[in-house]
Amino acid sequence: GAGVSQTPSNKVTEKGKYVELRCDPISGHTALYWYRQSLGQGPEFLIYFQGTGAADDSGLPNDRFFAVRPEGSVSTLKIQRTERGDSAVYLCASSLGLLYNEQFFGPGTRLTVL
Amino acid sequence: GIQVEQSPPDLILQEGANSTLRCNFSDSVNNLQWFHQNPWGQLINLFYIPSGTKQNGRLSATTVATERYSLLYISSSQTTDSGVYFCAVERYQGAQKLVFGQGTRLTINP
Repeated sequence: GAGVSQTPSNKVTEKGKYVELRCDPISGHTALYWYRQSLGQGPEFLIYFQGTGAADDSGLPNDRFFAVRPEGSVSTLKIQRTERGDSAVYLCASSLGLLYNEQFFGPGTRLTVL
Repeated sequence: GIQVEQSPPDLILQEGANSTLRCNFSDSVNNLQWFHQNPWGQLINLFYIPSGTKQNGRLSATTVATERYSLLYISSSQTTDSGVYFCAVERYQGAQKLVFGQGTRLTINP
């Protein structure tokens, strides 16, 4: 596709449930990023993939959060035992990576944990 | 970690006015991007500008890396320019992750 796509656009779940958020990057982009944006704040980095491997997961808040990118394209962010504090907009971005790192963002998934 | 500060936090202008948004960062950076987040939440790329000056229509940006700041200029504002403007930096080559400022909320009234 022309841009980064994310599904679902909205997700409402109950505390304690498991959720998966999907990101489809721009074709040909080897680098993929997940960020989280809380109301009134700038996005905060969660994890970065170069190809299939997680090159930097230093932003993941705890071990309930996990992300995969098994074929080096689509990525899934997985959150176990969701908590109300996980409610936020989860943004995905992609870039050519390495030396040229202009990042392009998807529309985000708004996660609400009741 | 690196600190990114944007000013002003809020700006309200009439259509047709000009504005300057500022981004200060606390350490040297490899890259800097400006984004516009529209009312629907989409982050739109404005400039990829680690140094120097770029222009795109009514918008222009200047980054003075040695003095650790960047400026975004918007001329002849339109109501569609409303939204939140973010500056984001990549700390060093290979860091990859962007560190965002808190944003400037711009409101353009007709």
